[in-house]
Formats: sequence, C-alpha cells, structure tokens
Amino acid sequence: DAKTTQPTSMDCAEGRAANLPCNHSTISGNEYVYWYRQIHSQGPQYIIHGLKNNETNEMASLIITEDRKSSTLILPHATLRDTAVYYCIAKNYGGATNKLIFGTGTLLAVQP
Amino acid sequence: GAVVSQHPSWVICKSGTSVKIECRSLDFQATTMFWYRQFPKQSLMLMATSNEGSKATYEQGVEKDKFLINHASLTLSTLTVTSAHPEDSSFYICSARGPLGETQYFGPGTRLLVL
Repeated sequence: DAKTTQPTSMDCAEGRAANLPCNHSTISGNEYVYWYRQIHSQGPQYIIHGLKNNETNEMASLIITEDRKSSTLILPHATLRDTAVYYCIAKNYGGATNKLIFGTGTLLAVQP
Repeated sequence: GAVVSQHPSWVICKSGTSVKIECRSLDFQATTMFWYRQFPKQSLMLMATSNEGSKATYEQGVEKDKFLINHASLTLSTLTVTSAHPEDSSFYICSARGPLGETQYFGPGTRLLVL
C-alpha cells in the first residue's frame, strides 16, 4: 500500500470548515483513499473513501486531485466533537487481506 | 448497521494471568477480523488478521503463543493475552471487515492494565 503523509496537527474554529490534507504521491491505480478518525480513547471510525471521483456523505467530503497524488478531507461545519486524530490510508479495495496500516495521522483540534 | 462490540471495555489483572477479549460483529457476518494494539500517544499497530475457521495470521514481531486468537464463528473473534505482564498493558482494538468487503468497522476498544 502506498505511503501517505499528513500534517501532525491542525486547528480549526468551531463552525468553520476543516480541510485536512493528505499526500499519497506513490498511490497506484487500484488503490483507494480511505479516511478514518479516532476520538480520544475510542476505536477508529470510518469516515469516507474514494478512488478518483470526489465523494460526499453525511459526515464529510473527499476531494481527490486529478493526478490522485493528494486528497483533502473536508468537514463542512466542524464542531467540538470533531476533535480527533484523522488518518488517511491508501489501500486496495477489498482484496485478500484488506489490512489497514495506520500512520500517525493529523490531530485536529476544533477550537470554541 | 455495521456495529462491532468488544468485551470487556476495560480489565485489570495481575501479572502472570491470562485475559480474554471478545470482539463481535453485531449485525453482520465477518469472515475476517483484525486485532490492533495502541500504546499511549501512538498510532494503532496491527497485530494479526483473524479468519473464521482457520489460523490467524500474525504480523512480524507479534508472538502468536502469547496472543492467542480464535475466530470460531462468523460473528466472534477472541484475543487471549497469555501470562500477561505489565508491558502488555495497552489499548486493544478489534475490527471486522464489512459485509461488502469495502472497509473495516472498529470496536470501541479494551483497555488492559496488568499490575
């Protein structure tokens, strides 16, 4: 699976959009971009995933660049409860093992 | 949908005892489950892949005789930490491969403290 690079931490004001970047310059054509988050002392929570088209669900939007070398997770109206570590992972969809390998992620601190 | 539970949520035990942690997929069947460990201020580390009806596959550096995994049914995987020591104190998290194989759904985690 391709390596991803994320900023260590970010701040965001409550009510504003949080834009979390992720670089995955070595991503292969059949690798998806997955986003998870982990609120303190809880298990990770799936947010969204995509291949090359932008995706949106009730939690967030995922914008993937045309060359697929980077992506941005957008939380449209951040709340204090969105404070968490956000992980960007590039991996094959399904597959024999479906292993998720977590990097260090981005600690998003939503400020009141 | 796609809910994964873990039991217990936290456990304290004496050094040398064994501890069993259960991971259940509540509303779907999971042929594949995963076990992770997380130390304070660190990321999740994959320990092993648990496949229903077959032996688990352990990641490099994880002792299979110390961390026994049993995936006896399509909704239950167990992790037993044998002869636990203080250095085994950690946050243990399981996940289950989703019903469509599209992603993984995680349990809430089990915090283990070995005295």
